Amino acid sequence: GAVVSQHPSWVICKSGTSVKIECRSLDFQATTMFWYRQFPKQSLMLMATSNEGSKATYEQGVEKDKFLINHASLTLSTLTVTSAHPEDSSFYICSATSNYEQYFGPGTRLTVT
Amino acid sequence: AQRVTQPEKLLSVFKGAPVELKCNYSYSGSPELFWYVQYSRQRLQLLLRHISRESIKGFTADLNKGETSFHLKKPFAQEEDSAMYYCALPRTGNQFYFGTGTSLTVIP
Repeated sequence: GAVVSQHPSWVICKSGTSVKIECRSLDFQATTMFWYRQFPKQSLMLMATSNEGSKATYEQGVEKDKFLINHASLTLSTLTVTSAHPEDSSFYICSATSNYEQYFGPGTRLTVT
Repeated sequence: AQRVTQPEKLLSVFKGAPVELKCNYSYSGSPELFWYVQYSRQRLQLLLRHISRESIKGFTADLNKGETSFHLKKPFAQEEDSAMYYCALPRTGNQFYFGTGTSLTVIP
């Protein structure tokens, strides 16, 4: 099946700094990728839809200036958490669709100190 | 509004006992529903989709339009079934509505 990777798998950063998370589709092209946030023992919350070559579509309540998404190629989407704060600490997961099935990355654990 | 509901956050069963994870949906039309599973320290992965009518790892799920349910069932639970299970309903643009998830623990 299709594989989606994320980098880094975990990151610790200081409050006020920015962090970039990469999502790659390894063996297929993805015109659309999705970014989710998962709190401990809670469900996935869709943050935004990343569209190759165009602006991302953000879900209601998600600050687009804080969570910058860039989908520069058919295999790479990046999520940048700008001016991170401790409340941004979470598990961020990306996914991409191939043959009508959604494949998920392994997630990135972000801890903001 | 379209949504899926998983009423149980936690579910514990003994090994060998039957297990049923509940999922109810709200959808106008004929839904295509999915079950995703997340094992400890692993990524979310597709378990089964109702349209394929497959049995994966002994799990089955039947779409009941009258009850608007898509419960996940297995006749004999195994320890390796312990995981987080999410019911999902597609929305526009290849996105999904995910339920809140049910954490299944199979007690040896």
